Amino acid sequence: EVQLLESGGGLVQPGGSLRLSCAASGFSFNNYPMSWVRQAPGKGLEWVSSITYNGGSTYYADSVKGRFIISRDNSKNTLYVQMNSLRAEDTAVYYCARKSGGSWFDPWGQGTLVTVSS
Amino acid sequence: EIVMTQSPATLSVSPGERATLSCRASQSVSSHLAWYQQKPGQAPRLLIYGASTRATGIPARFSGSGSETEFTLTISSLQSEDFAVYYCQQYDNWPPWTFGQGTKVEIK
Repeated sequence: EVQLLESGGGLVQPGGSLRLSCAASGFSFNNYPMSWVRQAPGKGLEWVSSITYNGGSTYYADSVKGRFIISRDNSKNTLYVQMNSLRAEDTAVYYCARKSGGSWFDPWGQGTLVTVSS
Repeated sequence: EIVMTQSPATLSVSPGERATLSCRASQSVSSHLAWYQQKPGQAPRLLIYGASTRATGIPARFSGSGSETEFTLTISSLQSEDFAVYYCQQYDNWPPWTFGQGTKVEIK
């Protein structure tokens, strides 16, 4: 069974940093591009960042460019996002998702909540 | 950036009835469109990709249609477990990959 399990969320002050992890299992992690998608409380889905299967290329939403860094460790079947200079508007549930086929997202992890507040 | 617009924002439907959800793209996305279902407190689940191909395990009552800028998700006979929020997403022109704002299907 394909599983994605996020961790690392929590409460952080504005300007602070946090690193999220996503542990993958049940598929050949090193064959798939991966992504982070977030959802602010009561709001819709927002794509955040993506990385190719080997980490050779990365992509970022304008809202996080220059502050977030996506990476992966294929030896550990794990996806990461380092989030720096966090703002209140970064408060959201962060989902990791496998990018499939032409770039839809399937499946998704259960999400981890990041709250940016003083 | 391609903007995805869904309508209506909320759809009130009785169990057993048909639900029709719309998604419009600000420019052509060919058939590069996916639909997701999200229930409260849960992660989104892929329903449809390629505008009309059901994902693995998705019941036949869910169907997708459309191309270029106009797309429809139809639920032929709503079951209790179908009341949820539905999102469309384009993957034709990226980055960014963009989602619609969602349509909530609620019990009438």
